[in-house]
Amino acid sequence: GQNIDQPTEMTATEGAIVQINCTYQTSGFNGLFWYQQHAGEAPTFLSYNVLDGLEEKGRFSSFLSRSKGYSYLLLKELQMKDSASYLCAVLDSNYQLIWGAGTKLIIKP
Amino acid sequence: IAGITQAPTSQILAAGRRMTLRCTQDMRHNAMYWYRQDLGLGLRLIHYSNTAGTTGKGEVPDGYSVSRANTDDFPLTLASAVPSQTSVYFCASSVTGSRPDTQYFGPGTRLTVL
Repeated sequence: GQNIDQPTEMTATEGAIVQINCTYQTSGFNGLFWYQQHAGEAPTFLSYNVLDGLEEKGRFSSFLSRSKGYSYLLLKELQMKDSASYLCAVLDSNYQLIWGAGTKLIIKP
Repeated sequence: IAGITQAPTSQILAAGRRMTLRCTQDMRHNAMYWYRQDLGLGLRLIHYSNTAGTTGKGEVPDGYSVSRANTDDFPLTLASAVPSQTSVYFCASSVTGSRPDTQYFGPGTRLTVL
């Protein structure tokens, strides 16, 4: 079956760094997406990885290891506005997104 | 630029009633999707359409139907609502459904079936 695992909740301190992990087992792989979702709002696109390695985009970076079925999202210099859920999703062989349940990130001052 | 709009924002519905959730995009995207989001679960695909005139079933299609008469609109119909369909419904679109294109989401419809 298809499965995407990520921690349910994480807590971090303003100004710090946090890493949100995602492991996956899917039928086919056409890339991995990370989305951010603030409470009561729609998911918004953060990053896309299809090749192994690290993609950096400002304070946010995303890493992929296809052989390990593993990705992480790294958030640096945390700000209060980063309090949100972070969704990991894999694009399967049919180009459909398979979603993890999301990681709720709580930022404390 | 509106992107994707959904209506209504929220709705309380009696079980057994018929309901259509509306979704319109102005980005000329070919592919559109309907998801439901429930607490503790990931987004689950209900139905999708890769181009006007075609639709497909996702992971949880039972009890729902869709149509795609034109590029912009993708309504989702619950023929006879049941309490288990209480959820937040998101419509999304992407340039195509056959490449790793980013999906863009509407603001969602919060539906409660009593």
